[in-house]
Amino acid sequence: DAGVTQSPTHLIKTRGQQVTLRCSPKSGHDTVSWYQQALGQGPQFIFQYYEEEERQRGNFPDRFSGHQFPNYSSELNVNALLLGDSALYLCASSLGAGSYLAGRYNEQFFGPGTRLTVL
Amino acid sequence: KNQVEQSPQSLIILEGKNCTLQCNYTVSPFSNLRWYKQDTGRGPVSLTIMTFSENTKSNGRYTATLDADTKQSSLHITASQLSDSASYICVVTDASGGSYIPTFGRGTSLIVHP
Repeated sequence: DAGVTQSPTHLIKTRGQQVTLRCSPKSGHDTVSWYQQALGQGPQFIFQYYEEEERQRGNFPDRFSGHQFPNYSSELNVNALLLGDSALYLCASSLGAGSYLAGRYNEQFFGPGTRLTVL
Repeated sequence: KNQVEQSPQSLIILEGKNCTLQCNYTVSPFSNLRWYKQDTGRGPVSLTIMTFSENTKSNGRYTATLDADTKQSSLHITASQLSDSASYICVVTDASGGSYIPTFGRGTSLIVHP
């Protein structure tokens, strides 16, 4: 049973460019959340996708957008990259974001992350 | 603003010793609290999860406690091993308006020396 997978593992971009990161959730999971983790910091919640819609969003600008596909995989897009966007981007999958019990107890399984460096 | 504060920021101990990591939070209303272990360059892995009605949860050599009144949690590691060297992150999820957005602490960096 494959866990959460992310691609690519590393990425180098220059300021102003656009980037797309990809995530495949754990088998059986239907909810994908994205996080940004700067060096030495805890992960910061970007947004969550469930049923192909953005359900919740953290305090991130519109330059950060996403998409969820019918097979539950997801993409994170960042436009007009800034130096401060350099970070480890983590994807986490879980089950049933729409249910109250899932929201209270659901466990998120994290992928290995994509290390983005903006020069 | 929801906040999760962890202490100490870093900790160095000898193999075989015990240690306790602290987490204070201001998240309200409270849904659940998790402790994660994150190896360098990897994604976090869940160790324990507790809701407001639980005050202790164990997972092998890891024991987490929760005091929902004082909004404090601790993670106790018994008989530390070299493989325990990692960052330990406290995550508190709030339940306002039916949403469940997690707030992550900065983590405590633990180094276990032989």
